Amino acid sequence: EIVLTQSPGTLSLSPGERATLSCRASQTVSGNFLAWYQLKPGQAPRLLIYGAFNRAIGIPHRFSGSGSGTEFTLTISRLEPEDFAVYYCHQYIRSQTFGQGTKVEIK
Amino acid sequence: EEQLVESGGGLVQPGRSLRLSCEGSGFIFDDYAMHWVRQAPGKGLEWVSGISWNSDTTDYADSVKGRFTISRDNAKNSLYLQMNSLRPEDTALYYCTKDNAASGRPIGFFDPWGQGTLVTVSS
Repeated sequence: EIVLTQSPGTLSLSPGERATLSCRASQTVSGNFLAWYQLKPGQAPRLLIYGAFNRAIGIPHRFSGSGSGTEFTLTISRLEPEDFAVYYCHQYIRSQTFGQGTKVEIK
Repeated sequence: EEQLVESGGGLVQPGRSLRLSCEGSGFIFDDYAMHWVRQAPGKGLEWVSGISWNSDTTDYADSVKGRFTISRDNAKNSLYLQMNSLRPEDTALYYCTKDNAASGRPIGFFDPWGQGTLVTVSS
């Protein structure tokens, strides 16, 4: 099983600041089969990024994904009020596993 | 617009059974694999089970293997999760989600997701 470890657990930032979220895999995620999701209370999870760096339809350009192998990053260039949420990475090359999540909270 | 709507959640005693349903619309249901993902209170997302477009491939998390069974009825655009021998640790919000792999195998990313149905296992 590929274990995904996200860091930090919580990120305290102000609107307008840059957020950098990390996802480290215990084994190589071949083909960059890694996605990122946003989860807010009372809402369905929302796909942000797939294939490590492809933005999903309708996702603002301030969201970007990067990385390969075992190290992946989700960057939010300038935080908007609606971006404060919990973010999960997900690998889908060998069965399916999620990271434990990073909470982006208002400082 | 692609949509998924789950139903069937509720309060159930430990050891009992429950069957969840998910109806899809806005896409060709039998072109895609489907999955169940859950979120326990205060915890993160946990993948539960996946099924290919034609039901010939199913996959389960170790935590539910042997107790849960995933199935689908393409004529009804519906996905199911039969949950037997339920435990308190199965308490969670259960989401249905569509796999985007073009092959119809359960090997892709997830989009869209339903709103979830809550399962509470307690005496």
